[in-house]
Amino acid sequence: GESVGLHLPTLSVQEGDNSIINCAYSNSASDYFIWYKQESGKGPQFIIDIRSNMDKRQGQRVTVLLNKTVKHLSLQIAATQPGDSAVYFCAERSASKIIFGSGTRLSIRP
Amino acid sequence: EAQVTQNPRYLITVTGKKLTVTCSQNMNHEYMSWYRQDPGLGLRQIYYSMNVEVTDKGDVPEGYKVSRKEKRNFPLILESPSPNQTSLYFCASSFSQGIDTQYFGPGTRLTVL
Repeated sequence: GESVGLHLPTLSVQEGDNSIINCAYSNSASDYFIWYKQESGKGPQFIIDIRSNMDKRQGQRVTVLLNKTVKHLSLQIAATQPGDSAVYFCAERSASKIIFGSGTRLSIRP
Repeated sequence: EAQVTQNPRYLITVTGKKLTVTCSQNMNHEYMSWYRQDPGLGLRQIYYSMNVEVTDKGDVPEGYKVSRKEKRNFPLILESPSPNQTSLYFCASSFSQGIDTQYFGPGTRLTVL
């Protein structure tokens, strides 16, 4: 598969534990935020989103938290599974542009 | 099946030889976008289009052109490719201005020698 990031920060998590991936975004005017998952050799896949008028949103096994005061976004994955192993990107929408963070690699220990 | 397709998936070319990477979506999406992905830099938006005949620059538009003559197609054109355009390219589409889920294509690995 394609290598999407040779020098990404890596988070190593024990299978079954919760994972927390953090992201600092750049523009205080951004109004919409998205988390993507990218597996090797594939394009990014939408996980969950949140609008700027919210501070928390939950999906299936995932939760996104938004702290606009410090321009911080986090993705929490409950009961991490081997299939969660991937690179995770946050993205922000500013005007009509989408700006991606540099990504975090999530590695699962058996 | 709802999808975004890109062609070619892999391309090796030489400096200065014009090329086009095609992108097509079958979901009647209004918003389409091109990104390049380089190690350690994440995805950077090249160009986007909010609808037919409406295109605008993203963060790294230099050296690229796009067109949006039909809703389903959004080709990326490199008039005179250079080695610094060697990258992994993704096309994406969504129903509206990147608000809702963006669907990504499988990627095009371009090498410019």
